[in-house]
Amino acid sequence: EPEVTQTPSHQVTQMGQEVILRCVPISNHLYFYWYRQILGQKVEFLVSFYNNEISEKSEIFDDQFSVERPDGSNFTLKIRSTKLEDSAMYFCASSETRGAGETQYFGPGTRLLVL
Amino acid sequence: RKEVEQDPGPFNVPEGATVAFNCTYSNSASQSFFWYRQDCRKEPKLLMSVYSSGNEDGRFTAQLNRASQYISLLIRDSKLSDSATYLCVTSGSGGYNKLIFGAGTRLAVHP
Repeated sequence: EPEVTQTPSHQVTQMGQEVILRCVPISNHLYFYWYRQILGQKVEFLVSFYNNEISEKSEIFDDQFSVERPDGSNFTLKIRSTKLEDSAMYFCASSETRGAGETQYFGPGTRLLVL
Repeated sequence: RKEVEQDPGPFNVPEGATVAFNCTYSNSASQSFFWYRQDCRKEPKLLMSVYSSGNEDGRFTAQLNRASQYISLLIRDSKLSDSATYLCVTSGSGGYNKLIFGAGTRLAVHP
């Protein structure tokens, strides 16, 4: 069964450093998403991406964040200057369409720890 | 008011029990509704979509009441493997399909 993959599984970084989280969505999917989950809290939407541009972003997704699809398979989330409060699990998801009821498939996540 | 509210639990039930989870959502424009399951430190996985007419998948039954903005999940004949956090999720408000998650209800099934 096709699945979303993410690398790395864990990332430890110093405050102020840049990190890039990588995702490979399911191959025939066209819509891509990033969510995050701070430990003990709910999953929160960050951004959706379609046709090489952001289609929606949340208040969390400020100027420190950016997304990119650098080639035909990868989808990346960059945090320019990490803060302690960026420590969380980051999930990538993809869906075939954006129709109502469309299933989003989640990757296993990258656990980011900012020290 | 939270967009999606759930009783955090935990619900501790014996194997074979029937357990019900409830959820309310605040945005009447929401179009799609789901229950996801999340195991500890893992990604959310779709358990089932929820339709207005109600739907069943094996031991799991989901109901939606749009008028009350209320969603439910019933699990019959609980198994040890059902132990997880159950996430109530909405989407489709405003034409976008970002998922809005509740904080989850934790279920622990014991022998």
